[in-house]
Amino acid sequence: DIQMTQSPSSLSASVGDRVTITCRASQGIRNDLGWYQQKPGKAPKRLIYAASSLQSGVPSRFSGSGSGTEFTLTISSLQPEDFATYYCLQHNSYPHTFGQGTKLEIK
Amino acid sequence: QVQLQESGPGLVKPSQTLSLTCTVSGGSISSGSYYWSWIRQPAGKGLEWIGRIYTSGSTNYNPSLKSRVTISVDTSKNQFSLKLSSVTAADTAVYYCATYDLWGRGTLVTVSS
Repeated sequence: DIQMTQSPSSLSASVGDRVTITCRASQGIRNDLGWYQQKPGKAPKRLIYAASSLQSGVPSRFSGSGSGTEFTLTISSLQPEDFATYYCLQHNSYPHTFGQGTKLEIK
Repeated sequence: QVQLQESGPGLVKPSQTLSLTCTVSGGSISSGSYYWSWIRQPAGKGLEWIGRIYTSGSTNYNPSLKSRVTISVDTSKNQFSLKLSSVTAADTAVYYCATYDLWGRGTLVTVSS
């Protein structure tokens, strides 16, 4: 199985901050990676697909980058509605695997 | 706009089979090249990929669950289904059906006698 190591596991930040979350794959996955946001009691929502493509309707303050084994999700200026848990998902090989999540909290 | 909705029993007894259905509305399950997936999340924990089925009927399962999982599709009903046998308390979770860009709301399944 491909292991997705996500860091940090939690993060405290303030509105307006720039935040970066990282996922490292245990082997190369090309750009077969998505980023998801999950709020309590809700289903995950995809923000980024193919590592760097912004999902339709998602604010442009979200961006993704990377290829191979290292990927980042950046939020350029945190908004109150961005406080949530974020996951990466690799779909390069089976079984598809998620990172363990990053909980983004208000400082 | 395509929407997904999970349905099924919220309580399953240990050793029995968990059965869930995902109904696809707003589009045909047979159109396009979609993979229809099941993902679960125990309370307070992360997401676990269970498996998926292609529109052709081919399947891929998580090896950790493979011996107990069956995913099938019923194009006449525009539904796909999950069966997980020999359940234990460890299978208690919110179960989601998804296409990765679209997700159902999730349904909580509790395994308890």
